Amino acid sequence: GAVVSQHPSWVICKSGTSVKIECRSLDFQATTMFWYRQFPKQSLMLMATSNEGSKATYEQGVEKDKFLINHASLTLSTLTVTSAHPEDSSFYICSAAIGATGYEQYFGPGTRLTVT
Amino acid sequence: GENVEQHPSTLSVQEGDSAVIKCTYSDSASNYFPWYKQELGKRPQLIIDIRSNVGEKKDQRIAVTLNKTAKHFSLHITETQPEDSAVYFCAANGGSYIPTFGRGTSLIVHP
Repeated sequence: GAVVSQHPSWVICKSGTSVKIECRSLDFQATTMFWYRQFPKQSLMLMATSNEGSKATYEQGVEKDKFLINHASLTLSTLTVTSAHPEDSSFYICSAAIGATGYEQYFGPGTRLTVT
Repeated sequence: GENVEQHPSTLSVQEGDSAVIKCTYSDSASNYFPWYKQELGKRPQLIIDIRSNVGEKKDQRIAVTLNKTAKHFSLHITETQPEDSAVYFCAANGGSYIPTFGRGTSLIVHP
């Protein structure tokens, strides 16, 4: 149980285009999902917290107009990187919270984004 | 907010030895402390967690200890194997459902 999928696993796009990444909880309902960014050999940097049916809460320094997050259902959250630039190239990972207290997080496999 | 310090950043051991990774946290409201293992290019996987109402938890070769007074918790891996090689992250939740992660420890187990 507690399986989280993420699609696509990798994507290459050109500067100026937009890319959408999907995060799904396959066998449970997740009222809260998280989006992280991870640079090589570094820790997970929380970008935003996504709650079903409401606006995402972004961490300080994360541009909400550039990283659009939509949590349309209890099993799906999407991250859209708009007008991508090479500096947006990174490993993006989502997670979903589970458990009575919502503390346990289970991560998706990640999406490797390369902007050329 | 919560601040989590993790040490060491790199740990190299021989197969069969024990490995210990230590983390400290700042927010006394933290009550949930998970540990994640991340292999290169893969997702972080929850390997063990502990809540503030217990001092120790064990799962086969892995154990976690928590000292609330000193605000530190540790991951212990016994009888290490090459497949234990990975980056390990600790986290503390600051009393909420949003964890703060440590910087990670790269564990290398030499056969």
